[in-house]
Amino acid sequence: AQSVTQLDSQVPVFEEAPVELRCNYSSSVSVYLFWYVQYPNQGLQLLLKYLSGSTLVESINGFEAEFNKSQTSFHLRKPSVHISDTAEYFCAVSPVPGGYNKLIFGAGTRLAVHP
Amino acid sequence: GAVVSQHPSRVICKSGTSVKIECRSLDFQATTMFWYRQFPKQSLMLMATSNEGSKATYEQGVEKDKFLINHASLTLSTLTVTSAHPEDSSFYICSARADGTVNTEAFFGQGTRLTVV
Repeated sequence: AQSVTQLDSQVPVFEEAPVELRCNYSSSVSVYLFWYVQYPNQGLQLLLKYLSGSTLVESINGFEAEFNKSQTSFHLRKPSVHISDTAEYFCAVSPVPGGYNKLIFGAGTRLAVHP
Repeated sequence: GAVVSQHPSRVICKSGTSVKIECRSLDFQATTMFWYRQFPKQSLMLMATSNEGSKATYEQGVEKDKFLINHASLTLSTLTVTSAHPEDSSFYICSARADGTVNTEAFFGQGTRLTVV
């Protein structure tokens, strides 16, 4: 079985500051890794994913995450946040080859960006 | 990305009644839909997977007679919480995937907050 731990339930940060949202997972098999973002009153949107290849993955809006197999982590980072990044962020894993069939989510981290 | 719409976004019902939640794929045909539940401060938990025209597959510990799932068309799946009780109060989220492999992205609805009083 797999599990996901998002170490921070809330992360307050000032605009233009860097941020890291932490995600650790537990699994006895290989996994795919995902980060989703949920803006108020909207559905979860895929931010980025790691399926294979380069362990550093990037999103179109400046976020990046690095898969660290030895530390079983997939932390999400952004060097400079904007007010518009305020949202709930969910880390998820799926056992290979489950893909989107067997997503296992963390409890979420609420990122609050202040001016 | 593709659009998945859930209705209603919020619902309050009396204990013992049933409530239906709809999940629609607006611009694609969803051969597979997933239903999740999220309790406060906890993770989203997969409840069941449904394929159009087939019976849903429920995760361990989810009562199929209590959470009725119907996926009768390629654009609509419904979750009916039967004889709801306060402990069923939760945030229910669906996602939908077009035909393809398990690595075909699934798109999420905005969720339905159910409160049973």
